Amino acid sequence: GQNIDQPTEMTATEGAIVQINCTYQTSGFNGLFWYQQHAGEAPTFLSYNVLDGLEEKGRFSSFLSRSKGYSYLLLKELQMKDSASYLCAVLDSNYQLIWGAGTKLIIKP
Amino acid sequence: DAEITQSPRHKITETGRQVTLACHQTWNHNNMFWYRQDLGHGLRLIHYSYGVQDTNKGEVSDGYSVSRSNTEDLPLTLESAASSQTSVYFCASSEGTGDTGELFFGEGSRLTVL
Repeated sequence: GQNIDQPTEMTATEGAIVQINCTYQTSGFNGLFWYQQHAGEAPTFLSYNVLDGLEEKGRFSSFLSRSKGYSYLLLKELQMKDSASYLCAVLDSNYQLIWGAGTKLIIKP
Repeated sequence: DAEITQSPRHKITETGRQVTLACHQTWNHNNMFWYRQDLGHGLRLIHYSYGVQDTNKGEVSDGYSVSRSNTEDLPLTLESAASSQTSVYFCASSEGTGDTGELFFGEGSRLTVL
């Protein structure tokens, strides 16, 4: 079967750096997405990786290793507003999105 | 500004009743999707459409139906609501071929079936 694994919850301190991991086992691969979802709100797009390597976008970076079935989202200079759930999703060989259950990130002052 | 809106945002209904959740987007996107989100699960795809008159079943389509008569709207109907359908429902749209594009989500509709 197809599977996306992410930690259920993580805690970090304001101003610090946190890495949220995502491992996947899917039938084929056509890209990996990260979305941010604040409590009670809609998910919003953060990043898309289809080639191996690191994509940097301001305080957020996303890394992909296709051979390892692994990605991470790196958040730097954490702010209280970064408290949210982070969703990893993989586009499989049929161009269907497979979603992880999400990682709830708690930021403490 | 272009947007995607869902209504109602909150609904309480009884088992066995028919319920329709509306989704309207002004992005002019061809692709539209309905997901449900439950604690401990990832977003699960219910139905999707790649254009007018096109509809497809997703992972958890039993008990749900959709129709696509124009580009802007993809209403989701629960034919006979069940308690297992208590959930938060998200509509989304994207441009591009299939699922390759960034998804734009509506604000969600919280449905409670008693």
